[in-house]
Amino acid sequence: AQSVTQLDSQVPVFEEAPVELRCNYSSSVSVYLFWYVQYPNQGLQLLLKYLSGSTLVKGINGFEAEFNKSQTSFHLRKPSVHISDTAEYFCAVSPPLGGYQKVTFGTGTKLQVIP
Amino acid sequence: NAGVMQNPRHLVRRRGQEARLRCSPMKGHSHVYWYRQLPEEGLKFMVYLQKENIIDESGMPKERFSAEFPKEGPSILRIQQVVRGDSAAYFCASSPAGSRGDYEQYFGPGTRLTVT
Repeated sequence: AQSVTQLDSQVPVFEEAPVELRCNYSSSVSVYLFWYVQYPNQGLQLLLKYLSGSTLVKGINGFEAEFNKSQTSFHLRKPSVHISDTAEYFCAVSPPLGGYQKVTFGTGTKLQVIP
Repeated sequence: NAGVMQNPRHLVRRRGQEARLRCSPMKGHSHVYWYRQLPEEGLKFMVYLQKENIIDESGMPKERFSAEFPKEGPSILRIQQVVRGDSAAYFCASSPAGSRGDYEQYFGPGTRLTVT
């Protein structure tokens, strides 16, 4: 079984400042790693994913994340945030089951960008 | 190409009634997933279906909950005799068939179920 921990439930940050949203996971097997964003009253949208290969993953909207196997972390970063980045962000993991994903989500981090 | 459609968006049921949630996957997608999001929690996997088959229902409560994905029509998540604890947002996701499981899941906007 796997689990995901997002320690920060809310992160306020000023516009144009950098931000890091933390994610740690636990799993006895190798996993795929994801970050999703959820805007109010909408479904989740994939920001980026790590399957294998380079540990630095670039996603949409200027976000990137780095997979650190030794620290079992997959932190999300953006060098300069915009008001439109205000949303809830979910880190997620899935074991490679061969044909489908059984995704486990963290509890989410609400990013509030302050003008 | 329309995204994943879910209806209704909001559903209010009294305790003991049945709730039926519908999910139409993206065109060309044959895999459907259902997730439940309780207040202040992350999404929890419930069930994974392919056309006419339940592949993995390990996240589904053993009683009152059922899911189907018929050959024609949307996927249905059914909750019988709802209780207040069933109040949550239910999300459906779809993906194309793939042998490696590394494709993206596309999420619908969710159905918010309120049990009074």
